[in-house]
Amino acid sequence: DAKTTQPPSMDCAEGRAANLPCNHSTISGNEYVYWYRQIHSQGPQYIIHGLKNNETNEMASLIITEDRKSSTLILPHATLRDTAVYYCIVRAPAYSGAGSYQLTFGKGTKLSVIP
Amino acid sequence: SAVISQKPSRDICQRGTSLTIQCQVDSQVTMMFWYRQQPGQSLTLIATANQGSEATYESGFVIDKFPISRPNLTFSTLTVSNMSPEDSSIYLCSVIQGVKEKLFFGSGTQLSVL
Repeated sequence: DAKTTQPPSMDCAEGRAANLPCNHSTISGNEYVYWYRQIHSQGPQYIIHGLKNNETNEMASLIITEDRKSSTLILPHATLRDTAVYYCIVRAPAYSGAGSYQLTFGKGTKLSVIP
Repeated sequence: SAVISQKPSRDICQRGTSLTIQCQVDSQVTMMFWYRQQPGQSLTLIATANQGSEATYESGFVIDKFPISRPNLTFSTLTVSNMSPEDSSIYLCSVIQGVKEKLFFGSGTQLSVL
């Protein structure tokens, strides 16, 4: 079973920031938070990941709460091409010895960007 | 990032037949993974394909139904055997790359079984 909880769907106006929440209250100390998205039946695409510090890249920002029990993916200026299902996944790195390469996908959040 | 080519992109097959899906990566990778995504569902891991050893299957998936080959570090195949309509899904191959262990996916094979 997935270790994360996400709202099933969200709407966002084009040009506005999209804030996608994820609860992972049982996260372990060595588990990272990964975000992927899947655009209409294509293969999922990596977005960003983090451990405890906030992260930013060219696609998005990831805000992780201090207790690490939840996080928010932020798309700063959503476009119509950002309409997709967004998956939040927690996983320990395989090199840590306590993790594995397997990603357990939950149901994700279907984000609809509206013109 | 890894570039993954997956063939075929889609196919319509008859019940009882088999289909082999190919996955080609533009760089050498140790581990490749095969996922299934049934209509309206999330992704489920079928098996991990390791070069030089037998694939490792997840619970609910067996080698007789989903035989996997991994002849080298850039290529793998997944066969869906003796197909039934319940096998209609998107099948995706993926690889782990880099110290950050990012997972990259192929574009998927949309399989419909009549």
